[in-house]
Amino acid sequence: AQSVAQPEDQVNVAEGNPLTVKCTYSVSGNPYLFWYVQYPNRGLQFLLKYITGDNLVKGSYGFEAEFNKSQTSFHLKKPSALVSDSALYFCAVRDPPDKLIFGTGTRLQVFP
Amino acid sequence: NAGVTQTPKFQVLKTGQSMTLQCAQDMNHEYMSWYRQDPGMGLRLIHYSVGAGITDQGEVPNGYNVSRSTTEDFPLRLLSAAPSQTSVYFCASSFRQTTTDTQYFGPGTRLTVL
Repeated sequence: AQSVAQPEDQVNVAEGNPLTVKCTYSVSGNPYLFWYVQYPNRGLQFLLKYITGDNLVKGSYGFEAEFNKSQTSFHLKKPSALVSDSALYFCAVRDPPDKLIFGTGTRLQVFP
Repeated sequence: NAGVTQTPKFQVLKTGQSMTLQCAQDMNHEYMSWYRQDPGMGLRLIHYSVGAGITDQGEVPNGYNVSRSTTEDFPLRLLSAAPSQTSVYFCASSFRQTTTDTQYFGPGTRLTVL
């Protein structure tokens, strides 16, 4: 079965510094990978996805993610963190044909 | 468009009671799904539907029923509530039945079972 792992429960970063939220995957076949964000007391919002093509995927709010096949990783990155980026981030993978499997989530805390 | 709507926002049940969580979308999406969110466990898929009249089980379907009589609505029924079903429930939808499409999530229903 397809799965994703988010090894960090929480990531702390100072405002203005670069941030990375880690995700590794385990799939059979081609991976379809996603990042979603959840702000407090809200539903999840789509950030970006990798289906095929360029290994660097750009998404909403200045986020990007790098697909690395050899390391089976899909880390989320942003060059300069904002306090408003503080939220819960989920990595997800498609489990064919019709399921989407989420990781356990990483809480990002950006300090002023 | 209202997007994906869920009712109620909050609900408290006693063990053994039944109830239905409502989910509706006005985007003419084929694919709809239900997740539960628990601390440290992320989101787990309960049931999903690839179109009206078609439903299937996800990772944690026990204790829940679904139906999809229309494209717009996808209610989740708890048959006999148990404390283990205390959770936040999210409904999601996407345009096509393939899950490569962006999922749109509702605001969630926070359920407590006493």
